[in-house]
Amino acid sequence: DSGVTQTPKHLITATGQRVTLRCSPRSGDLSVYWYQQSLDQGLQFLIQYYNGEERAKGNILERFSAQQFPDLHSELNLSSLELGDSALYFCASSEQGTSGSHEQFFGPGTRLTVL
Amino acid sequence: GNSVTQMEGPVTLSEEAFLTINCTYTATGYPSLFWYVQYPGEGLQLLLKATKADDKGSNKGFEATYRKETTSFHLEKGSVQVSDSAVYFCALSGGNYGQNFVFGPGTRLSVLP
Repeated sequence: DSGVTQTPKHLITATGQRVTLRCSPRSGDLSVYWYQQSLDQGLQFLIQYYNGEERAKGNILERFSAQQFPDLHSELNLSSLELGDSALYFCASSEQGTSGSHEQFFGPGTRLTVL
Repeated sequence: GNSVTQMEGPVTLSEEAFLTINCTYTATGYPSLFWYVQYPGEGLQLLLKATKADDKGSNKGFEATYRKETTSFHLEKGSVQVSDSAVYFCALSGGNYGQNFVFGPGTRLSVLP
């Protein structure tokens, strides 16, 4: 158990809909990362937050947005869903501070199916 | 920018065979290097790490040495088991806030009994 929790575990929805994925980082971790993993594909980095502020942005679509709240949990919002958005969405967290290796600890993922 | 290259596989081995998965990187400064493993149906788990040149990370019989001169971090195991079947990701971390974290494309390993 990494200490990172994600809800829900599975999500089935229809095209055009909007969903919210939730992530709680490990206790004390200030950074949260979101990734998308499609079938037989590698990890696509979406976005990183550090202590409530956006730190880095990857290949995140304009239909997707995220935020990190004062209690450090994060939400990833996916809107106008398309069939191609079906994937595993992972959240990861890493240690605080400007020193250290910043190794990431991953949650179990949310499997999104768009029908 | 930072990047990681690794053999994409799939790699198929017999039980007790020797495993090498190559990983090379491009980065500015002195990144930390990692190997993550993803078992079927699960999230990624940190397998091992190295934070400076010549460091050797090891865990569960797997080893990798941080080679700055060849910018490599190859994963090795002397005798693989069926339970090692998984996808292995090489990664590096850079930046003061870990904002330059880069994963390789992953290598799928299948170990046959």
